Amino acid sequence: DIQMTQSPSSLSASVGDRVTITCRASQSISSYLNWYQQKPGKAPKLLIYAASSLQSGVPSRFSGSGSGTDFTLTISSLQPEDFATYYCQQSYNTQFTFGPGTNVDIK
Amino acid sequence: QLQLQESGPGLVKPSETLSLTCTVSGGSISSSSYYWGWIRQPPGKGLEWIGTIYYSGSTYYNPSLKSRVTISVDTSKNQFSLRLSSVTAADTAVYYCGRLGISAYYYKWFDPWGQGILVTVSS
Repeated sequence: DIQMTQSPSSLSASVGDRVTITCRASQSISSYLNWYQQKPGKAPKLLIYAASSLQSGVPSRFSGSGSGTDFTLTISSLQPEDFATYYCQQSYNTQFTFGPGTNVDIK
Repeated sequence: QLQLQESGPGLVKPSETLSLTCTVSGGSISSSSYYWGWIRQPPGKGLEWIGTIYYSGSTYYNPSLKSRVTISVDTSKNQFSLRLSSVTAADTAVYYCGRLGISAYYYKWFDPWGQGILVTVSS
């Protein structure tokens, strides 16, 4: 099965900062990579699908890039509502796997 | 607007079977454009995909759970269900249901998700 890793596991940032989260797959997954945001006590919310496509209604400060094994999620200017945990997920085959998550908290 | 709602017991005894249902409203579970899935999250931990089902009944399961998992669909009720047998404390988690969208080139993603239901395995 395809293993997903994320770095860093956590980060502290300030409002207005540019934040980058990295996700790596154990084998090439082309662009079959999604990003989700999860706030405490809430269900995950889709941000990015197919590595770089912004889900409808998601602010444009979120962007995704990458293909093959290495992917990034970028928040161009961190807002107070962006403090959350972010997960990547591969959908290359029918056996989906998630990354371990990156917690973004307030510096 | 499509909504999903999980339901079922919040407490299950060890060695018994966990049974949950996801009710879909605001759309048809029989749509050919979507699959439906279950994902779980142990307290304080990350997300684990459990399995996926198509309205026709085709299923895909996480290999680590496959021997204990059954996902089924009831199109007449617009529901799909999860059964997980021989549960232990390690199966304690928030269980989410979600719609799996599929686009051209078979890109797939979960959206939306249900609110989740906490299931505790304890005697």
